[in-house]
Amino acid sequence: NAGVTQTPKFQVLKTGQSMTLQCAQDMNHNSMYWYRQDPGMGLRLIYYSASEGTTDKGEVPNGYNVSRLNKREFSLRLESAAPSQTSVYFCASSEPGRGELETQYFGPGTRLLVL
Amino acid sequence: AQSVTQLDSQVPVFEEAPVELRCNYSSSVSVYLFWYVQYPNQGLQLLLKYLSGSTLVESINGFEAEFNKSQTSFHLRKPSVHISDTAEYFCAVTKASGTYKYIFGTGTRLKVLA
Repeated sequence: NAGVTQTPKFQVLKTGQSMTLQCAQDMNHNSMYWYRQDPGMGLRLIYYSASEGTTDKGEVPNGYNVSRLNKREFSLRLESAAPSQTSVYFCASSEPGRGELETQYFGPGTRLLVL
Repeated sequence: AQSVTQLDSQVPVFEEAPVELRCNYSSSVSVYLFWYVQYPNQGLQLLLKYLSGSTLVESINGFEAEFNKSQTSFHLRKPSVHISDTAEYFCAVTKASGTYKYIFGTGTRLKVLA
């Protein structure tokens, strides 16, 4: 049981390049999330997927797209990277409404530097 | 909408001293409250949570937090900290109705000094 996994762990991009961050969970959760973490700003929600086949914008969606490929996988794509997207990206999953089991489980993060 | 405020961005404390990390929230509906911990270069891990029932909740490593509805607070405390508690701590809130969005505070960096 690996929990939430993310690839890659590190990435350096040049401005204008594209890339996809991959996330997978093996806990059979319906909901998945992408956050970015910046110093002094905590975690900000980029996109989330309440269930397979649905995606919704979070607080900071501009410059990103997502795909909920199946129940396990939720990818985040940067079509044209900008230096402002330099950040640490976390994927998370949860099963809302399960009472005592209510929590979000986080992956180890992807550290992205855009030059 | 919900919001979370962590007033202290950094808290230095000597080893074996007590510590309190403050968290205040705002919501017009019932909420669940969480504290997550992030060790260097790692993802966030759940430390403890309040869903319902007893307002005092505890973690396995000696932290506790008390839900105070009248003061809209969920402060995290530990009576005696260890060097290994050095980490960043995030308070989070979500609606108790089983919604999908968690709102995180900006984090408090706890630095335990020898």
